[in-house]
Amino acid sequence: SQQGEEDPQALSIQEGENATMNCSYKTSINNLQWYRQNSGRGLVHLILIRSNEREKHSGRLRVTLDTSKKSSSLLITASRAADTASYFCATDENTGFQKLVFGTGTRLLVSP
Amino acid sequence: DAGVTQSPTHLIKTRGQQVTLRCSPKSGHDTVSWYQQALGQGPQFIFQYYEEEERQRGNFPDRFSGHQFPNYSSELNVNALLLGDSALYLCASSLSTMNTEAFFGQGTRLTVV
Repeated sequence: SQQGEEDPQALSIQEGENATMNCSYKTSINNLQWYRQNSGRGLVHLILIRSNEREKHSGRLRVTLDTSKKSSSLLITASRAADTASYFCATDENTGFQKLVFGTGTRLLVSP
Repeated sequence: DAGVTQSPTHLIKTRGQQVTLRCSPKSGHDTVSWYQQALGQGPQFIFQYYEEEERQRGNFPDRFSGHQFPNYSSELNVNALLLGDSALYLCASSLSTMNTEAFFGQGTRLTVV
């Protein structure tokens, strides 16, 4: 079953603009991880945010986590055509073993 | 560091056949998990291996089985293939400690005809 829901399902922007994707989940978590996937190939790990963290940055990426609302957001600043991909959030539930539960993803298209 | 490697990259099998997919984890990682990703969907957890044992299993039938070797590499076996088993199969490796990143391979695209 899918735990997370990404919003929007698809996003189309111009190069240089910022892209914001949101993720909602249902249960308590240890952490939440964001991944990028190009053309149905492997997942590239972007960032991990722990349940006791509220914000993390990595280069042009900014992730927030609100455990009270069970939601997270991924902001990509100054987007590039190479950022075109599908983005997934994955929650690591508090089960003692890492078991990632993915949402359905946001398809981002960045036009030159 | 070669990262997580999977083989083969593509595979075509006939309904009813059996298939074995292979995964080598990232150097230093001791835990391997397998995921199935149907077209247009997010990955779904199949199972996880640690210390050569299946530690946790998702909602998949017994036709899906696996193995982990002493060098931490892993295999995913699927018996009696169905058309619905056509998907991208992803291997992820991680450390057994809590709150660590999971790194994925490029996947094996399985087509059942």
